[in-house]
Amino acid sequence: NAGVTQTPKFRILKIGQSMTLQCTQDMNHNYMYWYRQDPGMGLKLIYYSVGAGITDKGEVPNGYNVSRSTTEDFPLRLELAAPSQTSVYFCASSIARGLNEKLFFGSGTQLSVL
Amino acid sequence: GESVGLHLPTLSVQEGDNSIINCAYSNSASDYFIWYKQESGKGPQFIIDIRSNMDKRQGQRVTVLLNKTVKHLSLQIAATQPGDSAVYFCAENPFSNSGYALNFGKGTSLLVTP
Repeated sequence: NAGVTQTPKFRILKIGQSMTLQCTQDMNHNYMYWYRQDPGMGLKLIYYSVGAGITDKGEVPNGYNVSRSTTEDFPLRLELAAPSQTSVYFCASSIARGLNEKLFFGSGTQLSVL
Repeated sequence: GESVGLHLPTLSVQEGDNSIINCAYSNSASDYFIWYKQESGKGPQFIIDIRSNMDKRQGQRVTVLLNKTVKHLSLQIAATQPGDSAVYFCAENPFSNSGYALNFGKGTSLLVTP
């Protein structure tokens, strides 16, 4: 049981480039989330999904897009990367009774935009 | 806006002692609280949660206390071990109209010394 798997672990982008952060979970969880963590700060929600085909914005969605075509996968797309998107990105999932409960996190993607 | 805060950014304890990590919240509408542990280079790991209709909840070596009167949350770790060294985050589910985002604190770094 792998849990939540994120790829890549590290990436350096130039300003204006695009990329997709991959996230997959094998726990059959309905809810999935993307968070970003800036140094010395708590996590901020970018996007979340309550099931396949359903996504919604979190606190800081600007500059990102997501899709949820399957229960397992929840990729995060960065269009026109900017230095402000330098951060560590965490994908998470949960199956608990309510949204936001008992999240299982992946190991993160460290992204630098130069 | 309302946010979750932590009283101390760092905490150093000796191995075998009990640790207490504190967290203040300001949203009286919050109905669910969670503690996460994050080791260096890893994603946050769920420790324990508590709902607003409870004052105390115990897990394995950990206890969470909720004082709704003063809007205070604490995590107690019994017989602290070197493996407990990590950053600990509290998070609240404010259940507000601003969206379904967990409100994470900035974290407390726990250092366990031999």
